[in-house]
Amino acid sequence: AQRVTQPEKLLSVFKGAPVELKCNYSYSGSPELFWYVQYSRQRLQLLLRHISRESIKGFTADLNKGETSFHLKKPFAQEEDSAMYYCALLPRTGNQFYFGTGTSLTVIP
Amino acid sequence: DTGVSQDPRHKITKRGQNVTFRCDPISEHNRLYWYRQTLGQGPEFLTYFQNEAQLEKSRLLSDRFSAERPKGSFSTLEIQRTEQGDSAMYLCASSLDYRQGGGYTFGSGTRLTVV
Repeated sequence: AQRVTQPEKLLSVFKGAPVELKCNYSYSGSPELFWYVQYSRQRLQLLLRHISRESIKGFTADLNKGETSFHLKKPFAQEEDSAMYYCALLPRTGNQFYFGTGTSLTVIP
Repeated sequence: DTGVSQDPRHKITKRGQNVTFRCDPISEHNRLYWYRQTLGQGPEFLTYFQNEAQLEKSRLLSDRFSAERPKGSFSTLEIQRTEQGDSAMYLCASSLDYRQGGGYTFGSGTRLTVV
């Protein structure tokens, strides 16, 4: 069965420090992985997807199939990065996302 | 068209009452999804439409839940005989074929409180 695990419910870092939000998944096939973000009082929105291999707002995420992980990283955290982050898995043959429970990131000035 | 719209934003209802939520997707999006999010959890899939056809339903969608998307435009989600366990944020999302583009575009959600 598909499962997405985000081990940290809360994460605090100082401004300018590196940040890594962990995401592990279980899936028997080859999934697509996404990161969604929800800023305060805003709707959930797509941050990045692994197949795009792009950097959005300084964030990157690399799919590690060996470790079944898709950790989100940013070298220098900014205050505006404070938000709720959800990792999501989309099976190759399915139509629904499987979301993790989310990590609340707080960047301390 | 400024995005996915959901109405109402908040709904408080007494246990046993019926409620209906509406979602207006982005007009050119042929796919529409309903998710439910409870406190401390990520969104959980409820159902999915491609145009007007409801193609997939989660086991979370009990007999008390029904969703429609007449004419492949807006969608409604009805909950009959509401229970306290139905209290949650109900999220609607729409997309084009995700394999051609990005992920979903989410609405702001309808927060249901059953008292």
